[in-house]
Amino acid sequence: TQLLEQSPQFLSIQEGENLTVYCNSSSVFSSLQWYRQEPGEGPVLLVTVVTGGEVKKLKRLTFQFGDARKDSSLHITAAQPGDTGLYLCAGYRNTGNQFYFGTGTSLTVIP
Amino acid sequence: NAGVTQTPKFRILKIGQSMTLQCTQDMNHNYMYWYRQDPGMGLKLIYYSVGAGITDKGEVPNGYNVSRSTTEDFPLRLELAAPSQTSVYFCASSYPGYTFGSGTRLTVV
Repeated sequence: TQLLEQSPQFLSIQEGENLTVYCNSSSVFSSLQWYRQEPGEGPVLLVTVVTGGEVKKLKRLTFQFGDARKDSSLHITAAQPGDTGLYLCAGYRNTGNQFYFGTGTSLTVIP
Repeated sequence: NAGVTQTPKFRILKIGQSMTLQCTQDMNHNYMYWYRQDPGMGLKLIYYSVGAGITDKGEVPNGYNVSRSTTEDFPLRLELAAPSQTSVYFCASSYPGYTFGSGTRLTVV
């Protein structure tokens, strides 16, 4: 069973378009992180959100934590080819003392 | 500052062979983790450690062992390799966000 489901699984868009990636669960998390992973490399942390309803911006990326802390979204404005990669969400639960990773969204931005 | 270093980057094992995946971090983090990543499945936690001398099982520990004799090193041991252990393995350390190594791609044939 997968604690965190991401959608869509694959996304291919043209440069300049906007997109949103979703991370959903029926469980509550005390915090949630987003990572980007490029081929042959480990995931790299983009952001951590800890408060229900929290919104964080990182240049053209906007991250939101759901009010109930069960879901999150990542919105990219005016996507660029450098945004191409696998995006992973990870939620932390105090019971289990670990982050649980989502299934990932593979994004391709076509020049 | 090297961060998290994993070796080897690639390895092919025959069924039944054993090997150790090495992981070293130079950030003085107490928490260290081993994950495996399979296509469409995200990252699954194998083992983790909250400090030297302390280890605990994650979601998928069967077929693996770990040790943590120092803060820096957290090796993962595979005994009697099986095809189901073909995967990409990532070591990570954290405080509080994860810093991942670049991974070890293991194929068991």
